[in-house]
Amino acid sequence: NAGVTQTPKFRVLKTGQSMTLLCAQDMNHEYMYWYRQDPGMGLRLIHYSVGEGTTAKGEVPDGYNVSRLKKQNFLLGLESAAPSQTSVYFCASSYRPPGQGTEAFFGQGTRLTVV
Amino acid sequence: DQQVKQNSPSLSVQEGRISILNCDYTNSMFDYFLWYKKYPAEGPTFLISISSIKDKNEDGRFTVFLNKSAKHLSLHIVPSQPGDSAVYFCAASAPQGAQKLVFGQGTRLTINP
Repeated sequence: NAGVTQTPKFRVLKTGQSMTLLCAQDMNHEYMYWYRQDPGMGLRLIHYSVGEGTTAKGEVPDGYNVSRLKKQNFLLGLESAAPSQTSVYFCASSYRPPGQGTEAFFGQGTRLTVV
Repeated sequence: DQQVKQNSPSLSVQEGRISILNCDYTNSMFDYFLWYKKYPAEGPTFLISISSIKDKNEDGRFTVFLNKSAKHLSLHIVPSQPGDSAVYFCAASAPQGAQKLVFGQGTRLTINP
């Protein structure tokens, strides 16, 4: 049982380059999320999805786009990377909204450096 | 504006003793609180949660206490074990934003043998 898998695990980008982070879950969860973790800031929600074909903005959405074409996949795109997007990115999924006390399952993270 | 605050970046506790991690919040609309644990190079894992209608929830060595009047919650680990060394995140959500968990900055707990 793989749970939540993120691809890639590490990436170095030059300013202005684009890339897509892939998140895949095999638990048939409706809800999926992208967070970023920065030192001293905790985890901040970038975008989330409450089901296939839906997306919504989180706390820090600027500079990112997302798509949920298939229930099991949630893609995070950076169209023109900036050094401020250097961070560790986590994908998560849950059966119900995590705010209802439901456990959210996280991937292992993607460490992105923009130079 | 940090709605969920963990004011202690780090905590060191001797093995076998009690570890107490603290979390303060400012939004009185928060009705669910969760603790996540994170090891290096891994994603956070759910530890324990508490609803605002309760003041205590226990799961084995882990107990979370909620003081709504003080807008404060704490996680107690007893007895502390070396495997408990990790970063602990407090998180909260409000009814209208149930999809959005607001996380604290995290506290790095080190258990010394």
